[in-house]
Amino acid sequence: VQLLESGGGLVQPGGSLRLSCAASGFTISSYGMNWVRQAPGKGLEWVSAISASGTGRSYADSVKGRFTISRDNSKNTLYLEMNSLRAEDTAVYYCAKFATSAPSDYWGQGTLVTVSS
Amino acid sequence: DIQMTQSPSSLSASVGDGVTITCRASQTISSYLNWYQHKAGKAPKLLIYAASSLQSGVPSRFSGSGSGTDFTLTISSLQPEDFATYYCQQGYSTPYTFGQGTKLEIK
Repeated sequence: VQLLESGGGLVQPGGSLRLSCAASGFTISSYGMNWVRQAPGKGLEWVSAISASGTGRSYADSVKGRFTISRDNSKNTLYLEMNSLRAEDTAVYYCAKFATSAPSDYWGQGTLVTVSS
Repeated sequence: DIQMTQSPSSLSASVGDGVTITCRASQTISSYLNWYQHKAGKAPKLLIYAASSLQSGVPSRFSGSGSGTDFTLTISSLQPEDFATYYCQQGYSTPYTFGQGTKLEIK
């Protein structure tokens, strides 16, 4: 099982970026999937989730209205579209499938997003 | 939203010591509680899921307990590789909040 994030980089305030998370070894459409971030010197912050069916999407208040989570089942890939980026969005972003009552818990290695002029 | 209050925020201990970290939810989360170990530059590692179930491959010196609103992570005999930051996380309802983290340092 592997999750591989890509798409991070340096972007100016107000700019946009799309993160991708390619999964292998399991089918993301069978599970709810998440994005989690860690800003420099800070703790882990849950950002967004998409349900297994794809119809349910949730966001942290800090990103609501600016970020959109989606997935392409044919590519087994999760996305996070980030708009109107702010300096406080600077963080390492992880995609993750959390364990619940079953122990399957998968995380990517993270991709760094830096918002700076 | 469910708030997760984790304590202590930092902890200094020696190899061989036992330590306990606590996590309190602002409302009941049944047993939808995970514990993670996080080291710099790496993905978080699941230690305990469903409040008290040990993830495969995790040493038995790690244990979790609790249900409802109060949870604990116990490490029975610290090893050098255990010095890291630990987080609780609730999976009961979105937003799937994390605790603030406990940084475990070598005394």
